[in-house]
Amino acid sequence: DQQVKQNSPSLSVQEGRISILNCDYTNSMFDYFLWYKKYPAEGPTFLISISSIKDKNEDGRFTVFLNKSAKHLSLHIVPSQPGDSAVYFCAASVGAGNMLTFGGGTRLMVKP
Amino acid sequence: SAVISQKPSRDICQRGTSLTIQCQVDSQVTMMFWYRQQPGQSLTLIATANQGSEATYESGFVIDKFPISRPNLTFSTLTVSNMSPEDSSIYLCSVAVETYTEAFFGQGTRLTVV
Repeated sequence: DQQVKQNSPSLSVQEGRISILNCDYTNSMFDYFLWYKKYPAEGPTFLISISSIKDKNEDGRFTVFLNKSAKHLSLHIVPSQPGDSAVYFCAASVGAGNMLTFGGGTRLMVKP
Repeated sequence: SAVISQKPSRDICQRGTSLTIQCQVDSQVTMMFWYRQQPGQSLTLIATANQGSEATYESGFVIDKFPISRPNLTFSTLTVSNMSPEDSSIYLCSVAVETYTEAFFGQGTRLTVV
């Protein structure tokens, strides 16, 4: 039973355009959501998070949107850069700082 | 934030043997976790390492196969016992630090069992 799902295993975008990565969850107890970026041979690196009391959080080129009624969140990267090419994981937890449940990941390729 | 040193970074092991992975953090942390990432898969929580008591294992993971120690607030080990090729994965240590809402990860241990 996958509680966090990323339905797109890969995404390819042109440099300078917007990248939109999507994530769905089923567990209503989740109240904290995070996005991590992972390069090969490295551990995941935290990107941005959002609490369930918000519907949007922005940090530079990265914005996360949360739609609680739809149990859906998305990560927008604008503008996309070749260095953004990596695997992006959506994760959720019950309370901040607790164990994370991860989605399957989306491989983003940003073409120059 | 927290700087996490995980050792070894990679290893190739014979089936039937055991490997102990170490996770050292540069500051005291409240929570320590061990995750596994099988080839082409997502990260799955193995267990929460509890300081001074037995680890809390997730469904599908047992102490006999993945014994965990956490003798203090900055160090933990995960042992992969009696290894088989199905144990070939990346094993990751993760910590939660007070005042930070996100978890931090080590660089991972890439294990190949032959």
